[in-house]
Amino acid sequence: LAKTTQPISMDSYEGQEVNITCSHNNIATNDYITWYQQFPSQGPRFIIQGYKTKVTNEVASLFIPADRKSSTLSLPRVSLSDTAVYYCLTGGGNKLTFGTGTQLKVEL
Amino acid sequence: NAGVMQNPRHLVRRRGQEARLRCSPMKGHSHVYWYRQLPEEGLKFMVYLQKENIIDESGMPKERFSAEFPKEGPSILRIQQVVRGDSAAYFCASSPQGSLTQETQYFGPGTRLLVL
Repeated sequence: LAKTTQPISMDSYEGQEVNITCSHNNIATNDYITWYQQFPSQGPRFIIQGYKTKVTNEVASLFIPADRKSSTLSLPRVSLSDTAVYYCLTGGGNKLTFGTGTQLKVEL
Repeated sequence: NAGVMQNPRHLVRRRGQEARLRCSPMKGHSHVYWYRQLPEEGLKFMVYLQKENIIDESGMPKERFSAEFPKEGPSILRIQQVVRGDSAAYFCASSPQGSLTQETQYFGPGTRLLVL
């Protein structure tokens, strides 16, 4: 049973806001929700993490509804350089469990 | 402050040879994690180490694979008698302390192993 489910791919244009939603129906009470970004031939890079409601940092926002069964990563005004794979992860402890991620493609 | 460093970045081995992958964690980090990524797939956890201790190796294949993190020097992931199926990108990550909570892990650039 997959821990998280997210779209395989998304397309957008420069300057638009992109929202990527992740389903995690079986999230445990103590689990956090974390998003990583990965460019080709590079290691994943931490974007944002949250437990509930809304979290915002300099690159993204994370929206988590009250039931915590899903979360949405929001990237404001994307650029070509945001083209990457985005992974939604839940859980804690020492193992990060990656799914296949969402391939975001940003075009002019 | 240098990030996580891995070397070599690319490694080519023939079947039956040994592969040694090295990882130097970020300064101040004492916990190291190894992951493997096959093409078009997400990363898969292999092993979690602290200095001189293996904490969790539940993702490591039972044979041919071993990992260490000595008191001095980098962490080493060693693959003996490599086979073509070992071809993958191997990523190392580090964190300041053990992740009993959801602690951010910082990843290196990876080592791409190709077995001919």
